Amino acid sequence: DGGITQSPKYLFRKEGQNVTLSCEQNLNHDAMYWYRQDPGQGLRLIYYSQIVNDFQKGDIAEGYSVSREKKESFPLTVTSAQKNPTAFYLCASSALGRADTQYFGPGTRLTVL
Amino acid sequence: SQQGEEDPQALSIQEGENATMNCSYKTSINNLQWYRQNSGRGLVHLILIRSNEREKHSGRLRVTLDTSKKSSSLLITASRAADTASYFCATAVKAAGNKLTFGGGTRVLVKP
Repeated sequence: DGGITQSPKYLFRKEGQNVTLSCEQNLNHDAMYWYRQDPGQGLRLIYYSQIVNDFQKGDIAEGYSVSREKKESFPLTVTSAQKNPTAFYLCASSALGRADTQYFGPGTRLTVL
Repeated sequence: SQQGEEDPQALSIQEGENATMNCSYKTSINNLQWYRQNSGRGLVHLILIRSNEREKHSGRLRVTLDTSKKSSSLLITASRAADTASYFCATAVKAAGNKLTFGGGTRVLVKP
C-alpha cells in the first residue's frame, strides 16, 4: 500500500524543547516537502528537498531544521527557536520535476504546552 | 502575501445545492489545482487545470480558469454531506520550479 505516513498524529511539547516529526514515503519520489498550517489558514512551505542530502528553505524556515539522509525519509525538527510552533504540520512528496503534483501525508498536530 | 486568495472564506449550503468558490492569484501560472481537506486530515488532490485550459470536469466538480482575470472557480454540483470540508486552490509558477503556493481556503458546510 503506497503512500506517505507521518508520525505521531498528535505531539505535545514543552516550551524550550526540540521535537522531531517523522515523514516517510514509499512512492519512490525524489522530492519531499514540509508545510505548516495554522487554524483556518492555508499551507506555508517550511523546507523542501529534491534529492538526498540536499534541501532548501521555504517561506518560513526560521526555527526549523530538516535532514534528508534517505530518499524515503524527511524528518522535520521544530527547535526551541521557533516562537510559535503550535500548528498542524503536513508532509508531501512528488516525483522529481513534478512539484505541481504533490501527495500529502495525514499530518501531525503539534501543541506546545 | 499569498499567491492564491479564496472567496468566500466559508460557505453553508443544503444538501443537493451547488457550491461555488473562487480563487484569485497574482502572477502568471503554469497550472492551478484544487485540493480538499477534511478536518484534521491531509490534503487530497481534486483537479488540475493548466494555464492553456479554460474548463475542466471531474465527476461532480467543474473548474474554470480565466488567466486574463487571474482567477479560477470550483463548482461542486448536487452537494452531499460528505462534501463538507475545506477547499484550497494552489498555483504552480514555472519560475518557482512549479512549487505550489496555497490560498487560505474555503470552508464548506453541507447540511443534510
